[in-house]
Amino acid sequence: EAGVTQSPTHLIKTRGQQVTLRCSPISGHTSVYWYQQALGLGLQFLLWYDEGEERNRGNFPPRFSGRQFPNYSSELNVNALELEDSALYLCASSFNTNTEAFFGQGTRLTVV
Amino acid sequence: SQQGEEDPQALSIQEGENATMNCSYKTSINNLQWYRQNSGRGLVHLILIRSNEREKHSGRLRVTLDTSKKSSSLLITASRAADTASYFCATDGYNTDKLIFGTGTRLQVFP
Repeated sequence: EAGVTQSPTHLIKTRGQQVTLRCSPISGHTSVYWYQQALGLGLQFLLWYDEGEERNRGNFPPRFSGRQFPNYSSELNVNALELEDSALYLCASSFNTNTEAFFGQGTRLTVV
Repeated sequence: SQQGEEDPQALSIQEGENATMNCSYKTSINNLQWYRQNSGRGLVHLILIRSNEREKHSGRLRVTLDTSKKSSSLLITASRAADTASYFCATDGYNTDKLIFGTGTRLQVFP
């Protein structure tokens, strides 16, 4: 069974640009979580989607947004990129909120 | 803001020794999970312990949960060099239902 897949693996963008990151959850999982992990730091909660709806978001500006599609895959969009957006962006999926969350390998975003 | 905080921030031990990491959290939880992260890549799920459980084992891993102290510990017995990684606890709060991670413990196991 395929795990959580994220694309792309690495990305380099210029300050001010926009980026879209993609996540495919494990089959049967309806919850998708997005996290930002700056170099050497812990995971900061970004967004949680379940059954196609945004259920919760972390303390990030509105230029961080996303959506979940009917097949439960998800996109994370970041507009007007800033240098400090450089980080590893991790996606996780779970069957529901009381079960284990499984992570993808992440997308390494570098903003120059 | 972080819900959990791991202690210590970093730990270095020799192969064969036991490693203990602690996690403290702030609010009531449904469950607590421990994850491992190698070299800044994706996280690997280790153990989930529910709020009504006190101890759980998986291979060389032992997790305890004390809800009265809002704390958990992860014990890795007979450590190996391959255990070198960052370890995070994550909590799923009653009122938030979002999975919040602690700051992590960097474990280095020397051969």
